[in-house]
Amino acid sequence: DQQVKQNSPSLSVQEGRISILNCDYTNSMFDYFLWYKKYPAEGPTFLISISSIKDKNEDGRFTVFLNKSAKHLSLHIVPSQPGDSAVYFCAASALGGGSQGNLIFGKGTKLSVKP
Amino acid sequence: DSGVTQTPKHLITATGQRVTLRCSPRSGDLSVYWYQQSLDQGLQFLIQYYNGEERAKGNILERFSAQQFPDLHSELNLSSLELGDSALYFCASSVDIRDEQFFGPGTRLTVL
Repeated sequence: DQQVKQNSPSLSVQEGRISILNCDYTNSMFDYFLWYKKYPAEGPTFLISISSIKDKNEDGRFTVFLNKSAKHLSLHIVPSQPGDSAVYFCAASALGGGSQGNLIFGKGTKLSVKP
Repeated sequence: DSGVTQTPKHLITATGQRVTLRCSPRSGDLSVYWYQQSLDQGLQFLIQYYNGEERAKGNILERFSAQQFPDLHSELNLSSLELGDSALYFCASSVDIRDEQFFGPGTRLTVL
């Protein structure tokens, strides 16, 4: 049973527009959420995180929104650039629930930003 | 470059064999995590060590084992290999459990 779901396997966006990547989770114990970006033949790269005490976190062009009641988070990239083309993974952890920090990952969304 | 190194980059072996994957965490990081990424699957957590001690176990098969040495590098041992063990194996490290994890480039294991 998948605890972290990314229901869109792929997303195509025009350069300069907004990219919105979505993630749903089922475990109410999750209290720490992260987004990672992955290029082919490389390991995942940390992008941005959010703790469950916040509903928004922003870092440059990247903003993560958390809706705890809906168990939903999203990553907004504005403006999108061709270099953002990669697979984006949503991940969650239950730090307050005794987790030792191990992450539960979604299956990823492949973002293509077209010039 | 995340600062996490993994060797070897690629490994091709036969069913029934045993292999060892190695990971060196970022300088100063005490936690090491191992993840497996199979075809069409997200990353699956296998096992975590903190300062030499096992802290958490995920979906790790009994044929697999790991350890973290006093110099904090870690090894993942995979034995009695099966075709289905073919995957990318990633190591990640963090200062503590509440910090973001930095991933190595992975080891691609192919079992023939």
